[in-house]
Amino acid sequence: EVQLVESGGGLVQPGGSLRLSCAASGFSVSSYYMSWVRQAPGKGLEWVSVIYNSGRAFYADSVKGRFTISRDNSNNTLYLQMNSLRAEDTAVYYCARVGYSYGFNSWGQGTLVTVSS
Amino acid sequence: QTVVTQEPSFSVSPGGTVTLTCGLSSGSVSKDHYPSWYQQTPGQAPRTLIYSANTRSSGVPDRFSGSILGNKAALTITGAQAEDESDYYCVLYMSGGIWVFGGGTKLTVL
Repeated sequence: EVQLVESGGGLVQPGGSLRLSCAASGFSVSSYYMSWVRQAPGKGLEWVSVIYNSGRAFYADSVKGRFTISRDNSNNTLYLQMNSLRAEDTAVYYCARVGYSYGFNSWGQGTLVTVSS
Repeated sequence: QTVVTQEPSFSVSPGGTVTLTCGLSSGSVSKDHYPSWYQQTPGQAPRTLIYSANTRSSGVPDRFSGSILGNKAALTITGAQAEDESDYYCVLYMSGGIWVFGGGTKLTVL
């Protein structure tokens, strides 16, 4: 069974950093495109980043230069390093597996990041 | 900047049929955008309904169907049920490793 479990969320001050983790089971993160999607309180879904199985990474303009996606194949875990955090980064962050037709076919339960002083 | 458009809200009667759409602020949606659809209820993670425009995800009831209608992607619910009251999101793959979500449609069944 495919399972994604996020962790690492919490309260951080503006300008601070946080690293999110997404532990995968039932498949290898190295074999799929893996993505992060976020949802601000009361708002819609926003795509954040993707890492291809080649290791190539892409980012939404809103986080480019501040966030870094990576993975650890040996631990089968996806990461999102978030630096220079802003209040507008406050959201539930979901990791998602990308299927062969560019749809997100598995989702974690999400982890809440709150950026506030 | 690419904007993906969805109706902010829609209402359907139980047993009725509703079609939600997903468009682009400029240009047409095609199969090359690999449109996909997600259902989300408050406090829950999204659930995948449709991918690649018209392929139902495993376990999704066949009252949900996807298509390309004119210049938009569409999600049709035929025989809506009370439990279909949710937020629905589409997302388009824009190539170059970029995805863009629509703003979502809040569906009311009453």
